[in-house]
Amino acid sequence: DAMVIQNPRYQVTQFGKPVTLSCSQTLNHNVMYWYQQKSSQAPKLLFHYYDKDFNNEADTPDNFQSRRPNTSFCFLDIRSPGLGDAAMYLCATSGQGLGSPLHFGNGTRLTVT
Amino acid sequence: GESVGLHLPTLSVQEGDNSIINCAYSNSASDYFIWYKQESGKGPQFIIDIRSNMDKRQGQRVTVLLNKTVKHLSLQIAATQPGDSAVYFCAENGGSNTGNQFYFGTGTSLTVIP
Repeated sequence: DAMVIQNPRYQVTQFGKPVTLSCSQTLNHNVMYWYQQKSSQAPKLLFHYYDKDFNNEADTPDNFQSRRPNTSFCFLDIRSPGLGDAAMYLCATSGQGLGSPLHFGNGTRLTVT
Repeated sequence: GESVGLHLPTLSVQEGDNSIINCAYSNSASDYFIWYKQESGKGPQFIIDIRSNMDKRQGQRVTVLLNKTVKHLSLQIAATQPGDSAVYFCAENGGSNTGNQFYFGTGTSLTVIP
């Protein structure tokens, strides 16, 4: 089945130690997204790629970066994780046209110690 | 980001009853809306969507209603089952001029009582 895969499911990092979360897709979708979801809250859009074009949300901290080396893969880099960055990080994809819904992976739960 | 909100954070219903989950959105330019179901420890799962040129769309046991005049969206679940217990989010795209961004509402936690 075509899907969005996130690895790892659980990630523990130390305060200030860079960490990278991975996402891959077999849907061949143009658009890939990263969302941050804290406990009992809605997913919050951090940024998205439309093909190779990077689109950052205005309130996304500089501490969060992303890379998309090809259509299938997208990475979320947190340069210096703080305790407040502990959250579920969700990757999603969509097609390019109106009416193309988001398809989510099952997320990576990040713990910062 | 956009402001998309829900009226009720929690909802409890008896098994077999119908459920209605509401959502208000603020951007009148939004032209595409989606309802998602999220179970604990999982990513959001697509339930049903609707475009702004429609006011109602039906799926299997679910119906989405869109009222553009008051910027309101609702999800109706017929004959609610224990497996429907989850958090439900609405999402809107903010209008085509914002590209492909999707913004989520606060979420409603639905509990089905057997």
